[in-house]
Amino acid sequence: QVALRESGPALVKPTQTLTLTCTFSGFSLSTTGMRVGWIRQSPGKALEWLARIDWDDDKYYRPSLKTRLTVSRDTSKNQVVLTMTNMDPVDSATYFCARVVGRYSGSSGNYYYYMDVWGEGTTVTVSS
Amino acid sequence: QSVLTQPPSVSGAPGQRVTISCTGSSSNIGAGYEVHWYQQLPGAAPKVLIYGNDNRPSGVPDRFSGSKSGTSASLAITGLQAEDEGDYYCQSYDSSLSGLGVFGTGTKVTVL
Repeated sequence: QVALRESGPALVKPTQTLTLTCTFSGFSLSTTGMRVGWIRQSPGKALEWLARIDWDDDKYYRPSLKTRLTVSRDTSKNQVVLTMTNMDPVDSATYFCARVVGRYSGSSGNYYYYMDVWGEGTTVTVSS
Repeated sequence: QSVLTQPPSVSGAPGQRVTISCTGSSSNIGAGYEVHWYQQLPGAAPKVLIYGNDNRPSGVPDRFSGSKSGTSASLAITGLQAEDEGDYYCQSYDSSLSGLGVFGTGTKVTVL
């Protein structure tokens, strides 16, 4: 059974670096086709996809946050780590990690990606 | 800022049918990218309801259905139940987001 869980600090100060860990089970990120994404949700706001890391170590970042984000993996520990630098109060949010499924659509000729299993999320507040 | 627009809220009585629209543009839904739908119940993480426009994962009731046309997509809930109350988000791909997806603005479903 696939499961993911986020961990990290609940409170960080402005300008600090946030480090979040996603520990997962039920799949291996070294298996072809496996992917893990990070998504956040500010209070009362919509979801925002931040980053993705794939089985071949390819990485993708939200363009507006690219200079602040780093995603990495430790396949031996079944973990994915997200770091976000220069935290600001507007970055206060619940951060989710999720397994990302990639499928090829014959009708459109595109690959599409969606999250099939989510962690419960971890809430981060940025405040001095 | 989301590039997929949803109505802020929809409501219906138990047993009724409600639909949620998701309007995009030529760089996402209109470009042929598939649409997925998530349900987020109060205090919980999102859960996928529909993937690839109109596919239901196992375990999702057939009361939920998805469709797509042009630059828009829709989620329909038939036989509305009290436990359906929550937030619903569409998601697709946008050519501006470099390998990531874009979510809709979200719709709160209220069961009257």
